[in-house]
Amino acid sequence: GAGVSQSPSNKVTEKGKDVELRCDPISGHTALYWYRQSLGQGLEFLIYFQGNSAPDKSGLPSDRFSAERTGGSVSTLTIQRTQQEDSAVYLCASSSRTSGSTDTQYFGPGTRLTVL
Amino acid sequence: AQTVTQSQPEMSVQEAETVTLSCTYDTSESDYYLFWYKQPPSRQMILVIRQEAYKQQNATENRFSVNFQKAAKSFSLKISDSQLGDAAMYFCAYRSRTSYGKLTFGQGTILTVHP
Repeated sequence: GAGVSQSPSNKVTEKGKDVELRCDPISGHTALYWYRQSLGQGLEFLIYFQGNSAPDKSGLPSDRFSAERTGGSVSTLTIQRTQQEDSAVYLCASSSRTSGSTDTQYFGPGTRLTVL
Repeated sequence: AQTVTQSQPEMSVQEAETVTLSCTYDTSESDYYLFWYKQPPSRQMILVIRQEAYKQQNATENRFSVNFQKAAKSFSLKISDSQLGDAAMYFCAYRSRTSYGKLTFGQGTILTVHP
């Protein structure tokens, strides 16, 4: 079956604009994660979804960041009023189960966001 | 909070040789999972190997094996018979057994393989 897909692959935007990043998880995977990879901060967790709810949003860096998931499938990460420090690769991962298991998180290819 | 440290920003190895990547972590938990992920230039993170903390036996996947020292909180990755395709960034990651599943990553080690 298809793996995790993300779109767009690359996004260049101007400071102050809003952007939406999309993640399509592996079919049937109930858990979905967003991570951010930047030169200065390494790989950081942003948010976790179980189904359509987000029990862990602890990694979102500010209220300019939000995410939603619909139909237990596709997720959108939205960054409002983008800043240059938001430039990073945004990675999405999905897995079939959650707490208490070693289930593997499968990652997408990421979206490289550049804020000018 | 858990932390993961990879002290080797870069490593290099000759093709067919063996290399070991280091990882240490800090946690107060007794039950958790550890992972090594590989990230080639394509950016796609690929799971290399995983270890459950309650298992004393070191995990092995073909040419990849780990040396898990729970008391020392050390989790190194050994790559045997290195191949050109092994060149990538390698990340060590920790996951609590009781958490929702988020991974805490180290800073990564860039592995170069020389022909």
